[in-house]
Amino acid sequence: RKEVEQDPGPFNVPEGATVAFNCTYSNSASQSFFWYRQDCRKEPKLLMSVYSSGNEDGRFTAQLNRASQYISLLIRDSKLSDSATYLCVVTDPGTYKYIFGTGTRLKVLA
Amino acid sequence: DAGVTQSPTHLIKTRGQQVTLRCSPKSGHDTVSWYQQALGQGPQFIFQYYEEEERQRGNFPDRFSGHQFPNYSSELNVNALLLGDSALYLCASRQTSGRAMNTGELFFGEGSRLTVL
Repeated sequence: RKEVEQDPGPFNVPEGATVAFNCTYSNSASQSFFWYRQDCRKEPKLLMSVYSSGNEDGRFTAQLNRASQYISLLIRDSKLSDSATYLCVVTDPGTYKYIFGTGTRLKVLA
Repeated sequence: DAGVTQSPTHLIKTRGQQVTLRCSPKSGHDTVSWYQQALGQGPQFIFQYYEEEERQRGNFPDRFSGHQFPNYSSELNVNALLLGDSALYLCASRQTSGRAMNTGELFFGEGSRLTVL
């Protein structure tokens, strides 16, 4: 089983739609979780950290389910500019590695 | 405030050659990690340097080696290049001092795109 798994997509959604991505992780002791955004041929950039209680930043909501070992990202009112790859990141508590998923491609259509 | 800078941005090598990639971390950061990103894949962890020592290593062969200098900058060396080494190599930095090792935002450079022919 991969350490971090994501549906690669692509997810093609119309402008204004709500879209959700899930990510599962294998190490139940993982403590830190993030969503990164990567535009085509660019470097990844932090979108948001994911906290145990869930957190929201504008149109973006991240949630963590420790029992089922998954994190989610919800994007409301999608914009064309949201088109990108969204990378799920989990830190390994024993090794301090930041482990990336393969990424989920989102394309928002006009 | 300069972010993470990497050089060169693009390079072409042939099989069997050796390559050195360079990274300067964001100001104030003391920990540097290197990642390999193949097309359509997420970044794969190569290794991480802190206090001039390799602290953690991913599943990469010994052909991949690195170094961190006293000014926190870092190099990634790959020997005996294979076609499969063609990828985007990303350097990421963060501040570790005073924090737990596995928390904090990673800041990435724009990467070095390596093509092996």
